Amino acid sequence: EVQLVESGGGLVKPGGSLRLSCAASGFTFSSYAMNWVRQAPGKGLEWVSSISPGSRYIYYADSLRGRFTISRDDAKHSLSLQINSLRAEDTAVYYCARVPLYCSTTSCCDSWGQGTLVSVSS
Amino acid sequence: QSALTQPRSVSGSPGQSVTISCTGTSSDVAGYKYVSWYQQHPGKAPKLMIYDVTKRPSGVPDRFSGSKSGNAASLTISGLQAEDEADYYCCSYAGTPTHVVFGGGTKLTV
Repeated sequence: EVQLVESGGGLVKPGGSLRLSCAASGFTFSSYAMNWVRQAPGKGLEWVSSISPGSRYIYYADSLRGRFTISRDDAKHSLSLQINSLRAEDTAVYYCARVPLYCSTTSCCDSWGQGTLVSVSS
Repeated sequence: QSALTQPRSVSGSPGQSVTISCTGTSSDVAGYKYVSWYQQHPGKAPKLMIYDVTKRPSGVPDRFSGSKSGNAASLTISGLQAEDEADYYCCSYAGTPTHVVFGGGTKLTV
């Protein structure tokens, strides 16, 4: 069974940093592209970042580039998202999601974690 | 404001059909055959319902179908059931540098 478990969220002051992690199991992690997608409270989904197998290709949402860094450790079956200079508008549930092999781009995700909540407030 | 435009809400009675629209631009929906749709129940993670405009992942009922014409994509749900009540999001590949864009979501009431 595919499992994705996010961790690392919490309450952070504006300007602070956080590192989110996603532990993957039940599939060959190294073969799959992965995404981070966030959802602000009561709002819609927002794509954050994608990383290809082997970290060859990395993409970020235009508005987030520069403060967010995605990475993966295939040996540890782990995906990470480093967020710096946090702002109130970064408050959201952050989901890690797997891109299925049958999808031609990273715009589809077939398995999602339960999400980790990041709250940015003074 | 989301990159893709969806109606905020739609409704239908059990057994009926509903269609949710998703309007984009030549840079996303019209430019590629990579539109996907997600269903999200309150407090739950999204679920992939349609990918590559018309394809259904294994396990998704064939009551769910997708289509695209120009810069507009659509999700049609036929034979509405109570459990279909949820939020639905469209998503499109948008090339470089934007890469991926979501719609604002549509609340379906059955």
